[in-house]
This record gives sequence, C-alpha cells and structure tokens, in this order.
Amino acid sequence: AQSVTQLGSHVSVSEGALVLLRCNYSSSVPPYLFWYVQYPNQGLQLLLKYTSAATLVKGINGFEAEFKKSETSFHLTKPSAHMSDAAEYFCAVRPANRDDKIIFGKGTRLHILP
Amino acid sequence: DAGITQSPRHKVTETGTPVTLRCHQTENHRYMYWYRQDPGHGLRLIHYSYGVKDTDKGEVSDGYSVSRSKTEDFLLTLESATSSQTSVYFCATTTGGDTGELFFGEGSRLTVL
Repeated sequence: AQSVTQLGSHVSVSEGALVLLRCNYSSSVPPYLFWYVQYPNQGLQLLLKYTSAATLVKGINGFEAEFKKSETSFHLTKPSAHMSDAAEYFCAVRPANRDDKIIFGKGTRLHILP
Repeated sequence: DAGITQSPRHKVTETGTPVTLRCHQTENHRYMYWYRQDPGHGLRLIHYSYGVKDTDKGEVSDGYSVSRSKTEDFLLTLESATSSQTSVYFCATTTGGDTGELFFGEGSRLTVL
C-alpha cells in the first residue's frame, strides 16, 4: 500500500537559513510526487511535482526537491528562508499507473524565526 | 485557478443531524476528491470519484457517503453527524494523467456539537 512519511511535524529555522523538509514514500512502482503548501485558513496549492522528467525539480517561491529512488525520498529545500515561508507543507504521492489514488503525508509546519 | 467552490464554508450542527457539503467545479475535471484535515493527521481521503456516478471509498469513509450526478458537482453527506466528524473538509479535483496536479477548494469547516 502507498504511504508517505514526513519527518517532523514542526520545523523551525531562522530567517535566511536553509530549509529542509523531509519526505519518504513507499511505492511498488515509480510514483508521481508532489509538495503542496497551505497558508493559514486557505486550501492547498502546488509547490512542485516530480513526474520522472528530471530528478531535481524546481518549484515556486525558490523551493526545489530532489527525487532519490535509492532512498525513496523527495525532500524539499530552499536555500534561504523568508518569513513568508511560514506555512504547513504536505508531501503527496500518486502511483504512475493509477490516476485516482493520491495519498498525503501528515504535514510539516514550518516556523521561521526572526 | 481551477474554479472550485465549496459550500457551506462554515457550519455548526448537532450530533445526529444530517449534513451535506457541496463541491462545485467549472473545469470539467474528471476526478474529484473529498479529504478531511485534522491536526496530527494531515489530509485523509474520504471518498473520490472518477466520473459521473462512479465513486470509491478512501481510507476514512465510514459515516460518509457521496454522490456525483453531474461532472461539476460532488456531494459529501454525513447521514448522522458525530462529534468525531468535526473537521475541515477539502474538495479537490484533477484531470489525472501525467500532470496529476490536485486543485483544492477553500475548505468547509464543520463543527458537530
């Protein structure tokens, strides 16, 4: 069965520091992988997605993620955190052979310290 | 933005009453989903639809039913609401295929007293 694990329900970084949010997945076939962001009192919006075209994926707002098949990971990074990055981040997985099942991790709330 | 509208956005109800949440989309997306979001649990899939009158259960479907009589509308019904169903409910849609990106509504906050 598909599963997504996000390590750390809360992560705090100082403004200007590196952001690293971890995501590991389990899948019997190479999946499609996504990162979504949720700002307070809003729905989720797509940050970036991996669809097998390139292992390093660049997204909006300076975020990027690298697909590592050997580690079954899809960690999200940003070189320099900004106060506006404070939000909740969700990793999601969809098998490449299924259009319907999309499973989310439990989310990581990112706090930015001044 | 995919035009996804959820209604009502906020609702307070009492235990045992029926509740229906509506999701309306204007993008002609084939797939529609209902998720609930709870602290510590992230988003959990309740039900989804892969076409008109075609629906299937997600991981937390007990106590919920859905219907999709038109491409644009996906209804989530709580036949007899319980306090454990207090949550924020999100509707999402996608075209499927290689993109697979989900588009989300703004959410419906339901409180069951």
